[in-house]
Amino acid sequence: DIVMTQSPDSLAVSLGERATINCKSSQSVLYGSNSKNCLGWYQQKPGQPPKLLIYWASTRESGVPDRFSGSGSGTDFTLTISSLQAEDVAVYYCQQYCGSSTFGQGTKVEIK
Amino acid sequence: EAQLLESGGGFIQPGGSLRLSCAASGFTFSGYAMSWVRQAPGKGLEWVSGISDGGATYYGDSVKGRFIISRDNSKNTLNFQMNSLGADDTAIYYCAKEVSAGGIPLFDLWGQGTLVTVSS
Repeated sequence: DIVMTQSPDSLAVSLGERATINCKSSQSVLYGSNSKNCLGWYQQKPGQPPKLLIYWASTRESGVPDRFSGSGSGTDFTLTISSLQAEDVAVYYCQQYCGSSTFGQGTKVEIK
Repeated sequence: EAQLLESGGGFIQPGGSLRLSCAASGFTFSGYAMSWVRQAPGKGLEWVSGISDGGATYYGDSVKGRFIISRDNSKNTLNFQMNSLGADDTAIYYCAKEVSAGGIPLFDLWGQGTLVTVSS
């Protein structure tokens, strides 16, 4: 199975500042059919189910604010929140979906 | 509005069985693959099982041979038969809609989850 490792486990960022979360896969998550990376990002707020933010590593889901962006390729990926808002406090998970599915352990984002 | 509603969770003793259901509405259920994803208390997400639009089934190693996923497209319902339950199966179980008919376990719609607690 592909292992997904996120860093850091938690981070505290001031309102309006940038938050950066990293995700590393144990092997390439390049999808053969379209040469894209099968890497997604989810946001989970307390007491709620996860919400899809980003897929194919950099495509924003409909309705997701443009302060959220994804980048990376191969085995190294990043989720960036360009200007942290209070409503962005949550745990963020990366996920690979090349055939099977595995998630990273999560990164908790808080306000400094 | 597309929606998923899980039911069937509860308290069960080790070795017991439980059947979860997920009622889908607001989208063409028969056209999409579906999955169950679980989350142990205070822990991360674990995909456990999926089923394609045509009924092909997939399981994670932790539940293979114990759990059975099925679907009834006539009733827009996803089911999950869980047998030989152990303490490690304690979790919130989410029903999740995949973005395609199968082969891409990316989830764009989630239910609120149902809690399964395995304890003596």
